[in-house]
Amino acid sequence: GENVEQHPSTLSVQEGDSAVIKCTYSDSASNYFPWYKQELGKGPQLIIDIRSNVGEKKDQRIAVTLNKTAKHFSLHITETQPEDSAVYFCAALYTSGTYKYIFGTGTRLKVLA
Amino acid sequence: GAVVSQHPSRVICKSGTSVKIECRSLDFQATTMFWYRQFPKQSLMLMATSNEGSKATYEQGVEKDKFLINHASLTLSTLTVTSAHPEDSSFYICSAMSGTRGNEQFFGPGTRLTVL
Repeated sequence: GENVEQHPSTLSVQEGDSAVIKCTYSDSASNYFPWYKQELGKGPQLIIDIRSNVGEKKDQRIAVTLNKTAKHFSLHITETQPEDSAVYFCAALYTSGTYKYIFGTGTRLKVLA
Repeated sequence: GAVVSQHPSRVICKSGTSVKIECRSLDFQATTMFWYRQFPKQSLMLMATSNEGSKATYEQGVEKDKFLINHASLTLSTLTVTSAHPEDSSFYICSAMSGTRGNEQFFGPGTRLTVL
């Protein structure tokens, strides 16, 4: 069935270090993979996304990689800052029938000053 | 651009009453809107998908008679929690997708529902 696994569930890093969050999806037909940042009491905000026709995308300190064969995609944050602390969710878009996003379980990132 | 609003942001109601939550796309036409609920420290769980002018598609386990969804226009969808009970207390989030912006979905700020 439709499933997105996300690891780790919590991650603590020192300010300036890198953080990596990994996700695995189940449906090989998925072709769009967004990453969201959610702060306490707020809705998720899109921070970066990748489509299945590319293997990597970068936007300043944030990058996402996609391995279609293994059905893995990862979020990389470099030079982390305290304001990066939040919960991060990966998602995969399923297009069988109707459009539907399946979310990972979330990663709580703490950047220690 | 691509702003989605939700109203109210926070609501407290008595058990047995109904609550309506509005989701609006402010600067684009949303062909599809999604409704999610999120319990504390958990992920977003899709409740239903609504397309303008047609009936919503509910996820397995979501009672369509309890969570009424109406997508009357390309900029407005509403979720009504009927006969609310304390176990319906949650964070409800909508998102909107436009056919002209690829598959990207834009989230509203969420509505915190507390049922006493």
